[in-house]
Amino acid sequence: DQQVKQNSPSLSVQEGRISILNCDYTNSMFDYFLWYKKYPAEGPTFLISISSIKDKNEDGRFTVFLNKSAKHLSLHIVPSQPGDSAVYFCAASETNDYKLSFGAGTTVTVRA
Amino acid sequence: GAGVSQTPSNKVTEKGKYVELRCDPISGHTALYWYRQSLGQGPEFLIYFQGTGAADDSGLPNDRFFAVRPEGSVSTLKIQRTERGDSAVYLCASSDGQLSTDTQYFGPGTRLTVL
Repeated sequence: DQQVKQNSPSLSVQEGRISILNCDYTNSMFDYFLWYKKYPAEGPTFLISISSIKDKNEDGRFTVFLNKSAKHLSLHIVPSQPGDSAVYFCAASETNDYKLSFGAGTTVTVRA
Repeated sequence: GAGVSQTPSNKVTEKGKYVELRCDPISGHTALYWYRQSLGQGPEFLIYFQGTGAADDSGLPNDRFFAVRPEGSVSTLKIQRTERGDSAVYLCASSDGQLSTDTQYFGPGTRLTVL
């Protein structure tokens, strides 16, 4: 069963605009959440994370928001740049665990 | 420094054959993970090594799959009697700790195609 869901398989956004990627999870034991970015023919690379004790974490153009009551998180990219075109995976885990549960990914295309 | 490397990058085999996929983790990383990514899906956990021992192999789909890490560095994922459903990208990751808060660094993967 899919414990982490990314319901939008793709997203197209104009350069300079905001990209918003959504992720839902079902396992209430998850308390650590990550976003990974993947370019073709490369492995996923860590982008940003958030612990359940926070509701927001920001790193440059990337901000992750966590709504624990809704079991929902989102990644905002502002402003979007052509180099942001990639597949973005949401992942979740329990803090004292090592296993990551991934969503199916959202393909972001930033149009010039 | 060198990242995680995986060989081969692509492997095509026939149903019923045996395959080995290799992973070279980042030097010094004690934790090593194998994931499998099927078409249209995210990576799914297969097995986790801490040092030389398989600390958790609960994600291996059946006993056709086996992995080793004899010297605590390079790991090999072995698949016996391959089936068409084994076709996927097999990803290896390593980290210098054993918690999810320790960043897992992924290799580029091996794309396995079983004809």
